[in-house]
Amino acid sequence: EAAVTQSPRNKVTVTGGNVTLSCRQTNSHNYMYWYRQDTGHGLRLIHYSYGAGNLQIGDVPDGYKATRTTQEDFFLLLELASPSQTSLYFCASSDQGAEVFFGKGTRLTVV
Amino acid sequence: QQQVRQSPQSLTVWEGETAILNCSYEDSTFDYFPWYRLFPGESPALLIAIRPVSNKKEDGRFTIFFNKREKKLSLHITDSQPGDSATYFCAASAGTGYQNFYFGKGTSLTVIP
Repeated sequence: EAAVTQSPRNKVTVTGGNVTLSCRQTNSHNYMYWYRQDTGHGLRLIHYSYGAGNLQIGDVPDGYKATRTTQEDFFLLLELASPSQTSLYFCASSDQGAEVFFGKGTRLTVV
Repeated sequence: QQQVRQSPQSLTVWEGETAILNCSYEDSTFDYFPWYRLFPGESPALLIAIRPVSNKKEDGRFTIFFNKREKKLSLHITDSQPGDSATYFCAASAGTGYQNFYFGKGTSLTVIP
């Protein structure tokens, strides 16, 4: 079974704070993704990567940075968190043309 | 522009009934259509998927009906069970080059015992 592990699972930060969400996959997949899920909006792609050192912009990238340090690790950075970034964040991985495997999500609250 | 649209936003059915979840898409180059199911506190997980070479894909109580001409598909859940209560996401992707899945906004299904 493909494995995608996210940490932390829950995070509370203050407006203007600095937050890093971590994701590790042990599937040897080339593609990794960060999504946010909000009621009424479904899953929206923030950033994705197709290999170490690569970064592609998704559909809702504003306010987010990401970095793929290795094939296994993909980080999402919020350098000046805002309440609008309160959301459930999913990391995922896949091979091209194949099933996408998701982590269990990180619930971020910005107060 | 929303690439993938789902309806209804929420759906309630009685146990034993057939739930029908609808999906439509914009880009005719899309060639892979998975449905993901999300239970609260869990990961979205692949439920069933179809490619345009077929107009129907069946897996137990779950069936996808696909209409390429109208760019529509639907997920039918027969003999619905309370355990089917979840949010269902339709997605689409084009398999060439990078892989970007476009997800719909989801349908929240509630099955009443």
